[in-house]
Amino acid sequence: DGGITQSPKYLFRKEGQNVTLSCEQNLNHDAMYWYRQDPGQGLRLIYYSQIVNDFQKGDIAEGYSVSREKKESFPLTVTSAQKNPTAFYLCASSNSGRSNQPQHFGDGTRLSIL
Amino acid sequence: QKEVEQNSGPLSVPEGAIASLNCTYSDRGSQSFFWYRQYSGKSPELIMFIYSNGDKEDGRFTAQLNKASQYVSLLIRDSQPSDSATYLCAGASSGSNYQLIWGAGTKLIIKP
Repeated sequence: DGGITQSPKYLFRKEGQNVTLSCEQNLNHDAMYWYRQDPGQGLRLIYYSQIVNDFQKGDIAEGYSVSREKKESFPLTVTSAQKNPTAFYLCASSNSGRSNQPQHFGDGTRLSIL
Repeated sequence: QKEVEQNSGPLSVPEGAIASLNCTYSDRGSQSFFWYRQYSGKSPELIMFIYSNGDKEDGRFTAQLNKASQYVSLLIRDSQPSDSATYLCAGASSGSNYQLIWGAGTKLIIKP
């Protein structure tokens, strides 16, 4: 079955620690996205990538980093510089990077501070 | 600041009735709009998208777009308890070809 797989489902971060969230898709989509969702709020874009080896900052990129070495994979690292990382992190993909293309989401990763 | 506004709710609708969810947007250049359903603790799921003025129907769901009034709506006919969820509206940004502007969502409760 085609889809987007995010792992882990739950993640705990210690002070000063970097953690990496995995996102893999087998939909052959060109574009991939990372969003953050806080309780009662809409989605905020962290980073997006339209093609391999290229990515752009979204609205809240500070304290986060990404890579896009393969079309299928778009991992997100939450660095120690992100002081309030507790949130629900969602990875999405779309057929192309054009904003008229529907985005499809993985099941998400919940990140908490220990 | 480009925005998509939704009433946070909760919107309570009796089972079997029509649920009407509304969304307004500030970016007059937005051309494409998307409705997502998000169950509590889960990720958003695409329900419908609409690009043209007028109505678009898919089963029990109808999306309506009025570009002159900058207004998008989602109607759910014959509402079921399983429709209880938060509904997110998103519009394509005219300033960036690659970003969506998201509303905060409307919580819908279908009462049996």
